[in-house]
Amino acid sequence: GAVVSQHPSRVICKSGTSVKIECRSLDFQATTMFWYRQFPKQSLMLMATSNEGSKATYEQGVEKDKFLINHASLTLSTLTVTSAHPEDSSFYICSARPVTGVNTGELFFGEGSRLTVL
Amino acid sequence: AQSVTQLGSHVSVSEGALVLLRCNYSSSVPPYLFWYVQYPNQGLQLLLKYTSAATLVKGINGFEAEFKKSETSFHLTKPSAHMSDAAEYFCAVSESGGYQKVTFGTGTKLQVIP
Repeated sequence: GAVVSQHPSRVICKSGTSVKIECRSLDFQATTMFWYRQFPKQSLMLMATSNEGSKATYEQGVEKDKFLINHASLTLSTLTVTSAHPEDSSFYICSARPVTGVNTGELFFGEGSRLTVL
Repeated sequence: AQSVTQLGSHVSVSEGALVLLRCNYSSSVPPYLFWYVQYPNQGLQLLLKYTSAATLVKGINGFEAEFKKSETSFHLTKPSAHMSDAAEYFCAVSESGGYQKVTFGTGTKLQVIP
């Protein structure tokens, strides 16, 4: 099946620093990738939709200047948490939607990245 | 607008017993429906999906779900629970036609008692 790799799986940083998380589709091309945030024992909250070669579409309430998304190629999207603060600590998950084939809306998920801001 | 409601944030079953996780959806157009499973500190894995073909959908690990339009439901079942089934399960909906964002339910944590 399609594989999505997310890196790093865990990151600890100091308050005020920036952290970059990568999401790669390893064996398929994805024009669209999605970034989710998951709080403990809660569902996934869609943060933004990342489209290759264009600006990301952010959900209401998500600060675009704080969560920078870049989708430079059909296999890579990055999320940068700028000037991170403890409240940004969370589990971030990316997903990708394949370009080819009948689009059934199915998403392939990365393994997630746990960010801890001290 | 689309939405998903999962009844019961926690479900406990005995090993070998029937698993039933409930999901009701709301969608203004024919939906695509999904069940995903999440193990601790991991991403989500697709269990099964409904995309307007057969209403009874079989997935991995012995799970299946039935799409019932009249009840706007897509409940997940498994005849006999196994210890390895303990995880968080998410129901999700996407409007058909592709390129639509997926909306997730709040999740149901399944506990399997030996």
